[in-house]
Amino acid sequence: QVNLVASGGGLVKPGESLRLSCAASGFTFIDYYMGWIRQAPGKGLQWLASISGTGAYSRTADSVEGRFTISRDNGRKTVYLDMDSLTVEDSGIYWCARDGQSGASYAAFAYWGQGILVTVS
Amino acid sequence: DIHMTQSPLSLSASVGDRVTITCRASQSIKSNLNWYQCRPGKAPQLLIFDSSSLNDGVPSRFRGSGSGTDFTLTITGLQRDDFATYYCQQSYSVVRTFGQGTRVDVK
Repeated sequence: QVNLVASGGGLVKPGESLRLSCAASGFTFIDYYMGWIRQAPGKGLQWLASISGTGAYSRTADSVEGRFTISRDNGRKTVYLDMDSLTVEDSGIYWCARDGQSGASYAAFAYWGQGILVTVS
Repeated sequence: DIHMTQSPLSLSASVGDRVTITCRASQSIKSNLNWYQCRPGKAPQLLIFDSSSLNDGVPSRFRGSGSGTDFTLTITGLQRDDFATYYCQQSYSVVRTFGQGTRVDVK
């Protein structure tokens, strides 16, 4: 079955960097876009970034553009989120999720990782 | 970016009630609209994809409808497990966006 295991969260100081990882299994990894979503305390869901199956195409939310970078290693079946210049507003729960299948007529975040806590303080 | 607006942002209901949540997109997104249920401490769960398709394992009391800019999530016969926060999300653009969320709590 589809499984996404995220890691790399923790406590960092403002201005520091952090790399989140998400290891996937149970599906043909290269066939799917992957994404990162977060939820700050008391706030709603915020999409952060998505990347195509081959990694050739990615998009990032304007609010974190230039500080957050999504990438993937298809050999390791892992997607990453590199976060730089972190601020207290970046604190929250971060999820990786499987986005749509390349070439499909629809896309949705059907599978999610377990969520990891990032605290910037 | 496509902006998603949900209403209401919160509502109170009782077990057995029929609940309707609306979601409006700032431009046409055809049927590329998904609904998620969020509970504290859990990952969001996909309920409805492509506006009206029920995800595997989701009870039939959940129904989605709409196209273009206006969408609706209806829960018919609210159950205890349904008290949660619901989000719409568009997948028309690769720049994905979520609505603000609608909290459904006990009346």
